[in-house]
Amino acid sequence: EIVMTQSPATLSVSPGERAIVSCRASQSVSSRLAWYQQKPGQAPRLLIYGASTRATGIPARFSGSGSGTEFTLTISSLQSEDFAVYYCQHYLNWPLTFGGGTKVEIK
Amino acid sequence: EAQLLESGGGLVQPGGSLRLSCAASGFTFSSFDMAWVRQAPGKGLEWVSASSPSGGTTYADSVRGRFTISRDNSKNTLYLEMNSLRVEDTALYYCASPASAWKFDYWGRGTLVTVSS
Repeated sequence: EIVMTQSPATLSVSPGERAIVSCRASQSVSSRLAWYQQKPGQAPRLLIYGASTRATGIPARFSGSGSGTEFTLTISSLQSEDFAVYYCQHYLNWPLTFGGGTKVEIK
Repeated sequence: EAQLLESGGGLVQPGGSLRLSCAASGFTFSSFDMAWVRQAPGKGLEWVSASSPSGGTTYADSVRGRFTISRDNSKNTLYLEMNSLRVEDTALYYCASPASAWKFDYWGRGTLVTVSS
């Protein structure tokens, strides 16, 4: 099983600032990496797939990078609606696994 | 627009059974992979099981042998039969579907399963 480790667990950021969330895989997942955003009481929403491709309708302030075992989600200028929990997920093989999540909160 | 609507959750005693359903609309259900993903209260996301359009299935180790995923393409519905339920199965169960590969483009709102005596 591929273990996905996210850091930090909590990130305190002021509106307008940049946020960077990291995700590490225990073995290479190539570029088969997705990022999701989840707000309280809502289902997750796909942000990024293929490590760096934005999903339909996702604003350009969200970007993803990395390959192999090290990945980054960057939110260039945080808006009020971006404060949420973010998860990474690999889809290289079974079982699919998610990272533990990073909560981006208002500083 | 793709829509997924889960139902069937509830309170069940340890060792009991429950069947979840996921009604799909807005896309050609019979052509799409489908999956169940769960989230324990206050916790992260955990993939549970997946189904291919032809009926192929796969399971997380934590549920293999206790849960069965199935689909009725004529009814555009995905199911999850859950037996020998444990307290640790308590979670919000989401139905999800990938447009391609196994990243999840579409999600339902979830149905809550509580296993408690």
